[in-house]
Amino acid sequence: GENVGLHLPTLSVQEGDNSIINCAYSNSASDYFIWYKQESGKGPQFIIDIRSNMDKRQGQRVTVLLNKTVKHLSLQIAATQPGDSAVYFCAGSGGGADGLTFGKGTHLIIQP
Amino acid sequence: DAMVIQNPRYQVTQFGKPVTLSCSQTLNHNVMYWYQQKSSQAPKLLFHYYDKDFNNEADTPDNFQSRRPNTSFCFLDIRSPGLGDAAMYLCATSRNSRGLQETQYFGPGTRLLVL
Repeated sequence: GENVGLHLPTLSVQEGDNSIINCAYSNSASDYFIWYKQESGKGPQFIIDIRSNMDKRQGQRVTVLLNKTVKHLSLQIAATQPGDSAVYFCAGSGGGADGLTFGKGTHLIIQP
Repeated sequence: DAMVIQNPRYQVTQFGKPVTLSCSQTLNHNVMYWYQQKSSQAPKLLFHYYDKDFNNEADTPDNFQSRRPNTSFCFLDIRSPGLGDAAMYLCATSRNSRGLQETQYFGPGTRLLVL
């Protein structure tokens, strides 16, 4: 199976600042990665995904970077807002597995 | 508009009393997944259905079973819940799998409490 993990359990940033959440994975066969946002008491919400043939993908206020050489991906959130406060999970799939393997999660706290 | 619906949102059961959680989807997706998420942990895949084909994870306890009577519905049955089974249970769907890179869409979850 795949091991996908996060470096920091909690990240606190000032409202309006940019935030970066990091994730490492171990399975070199992983070819698809997703970032999910999970608010308290709710299911994971899709934010952005990236395939292994890409190294960067941008969405609205979010950017995902993939470095296959060191098996690392990150989620950048620009101009953070109070509504960005949540737990963020990276998840990966590939290598013949059908389900997603989730990292441990990072709790992002936006301070006013 | 809800696409993956889970009922109930909260379920209380007694130790050892069978319980069933339900999931339905309006996306007409082929694949439905069940994940278990314990407090402050990441979701963990229990099993999934690719159409009618059931796929169990190797470390999923026998206490957990699943049924998919049709494309839209999938059930999670816990035959004899223990205190350690208290968790959030998440249902997810994807259009396809088997090596295809597919986003999974999650329902709101059912929080199970075992007394």
